[in-house]
Amino acid sequence: AQKVTQAQTEISVVEKEDVTLDCVYETRDTTYYLFWYKQPPSGELVFLIRRNSFDEQNEISGRYSWNFQKSTSSFNFTITASQVVDSAVYFCALSGGYNFNKFYFGSGTKLNVKP
Amino acid sequence: GAVVSQHPSWVICKSGTSVKIECRSLDFQATTMFWYRQFPKQSLMLMATSNEGSKATYEQGVEKDKFLINHASLTLSTLTVTSAHPEDSSFYICSLEGKGYEQYFGPGTRLTVT
Repeated sequence: AQKVTQAQTEISVVEKEDVTLDCVYETRDTTYYLFWYKQPPSGELVFLIRRNSFDEQNEISGRYSWNFQKSTSSFNFTITASQVVDSAVYFCALSGGYNFNKFYFGSGTKLNVKP
Repeated sequence: GAVVSQHPSWVICKSGTSVKIECRSLDFQATTMFWYRQFPKQSLMLMATSNEGSKATYEQGVEKDKFLINHASLTLSTLTVTSAHPEDSSFYICSLEGKGYEQYFGPGTRLTVT
């Protein structure tokens, strides 16, 4: 069964602090994809990153970085020097098996960045 | 990434009426689109996969006669909520698949049934 767990329901930080959002997944598939999406208050989901199961290299994009560890089934997301505009709900998602179209979303982590 | 639009962005309807939501791909020909619903402060749940020119594939527990999906062209999929009831009030979001299995989401439609 596919499952994504985001244990942190809500996180509050002060601007310029670093923050890590946790994502733990479960799957029996050997080939799968992991994603992070941002949902600001406007509601529209913004694609941030896709990772396939064979690529464990960490990735950095500006203030964003992702740590993928198959050994712990985790795909954590770190925002460095957070900004107020980072305030949003962040979703981790998994797709795999025979149907890469079907996404399993975590419950989301609401990030509040205070000035 | 692909640009996806939805119309309307919000709608209020009376119980028992039907509501149609449009999802358009503005710069991408999408043979497959997806429909999700999201309850307040909850995650997204896939409702159905919309296939151009054929019947939609519904997820378990989703009533296909209540949520009618039509994917008549490569750029348009519609979701009609028939005989809407207050429990159908939700945020409905469509998406289409990019080249690398990522999905690009529309801005969503907030449906309120009174």
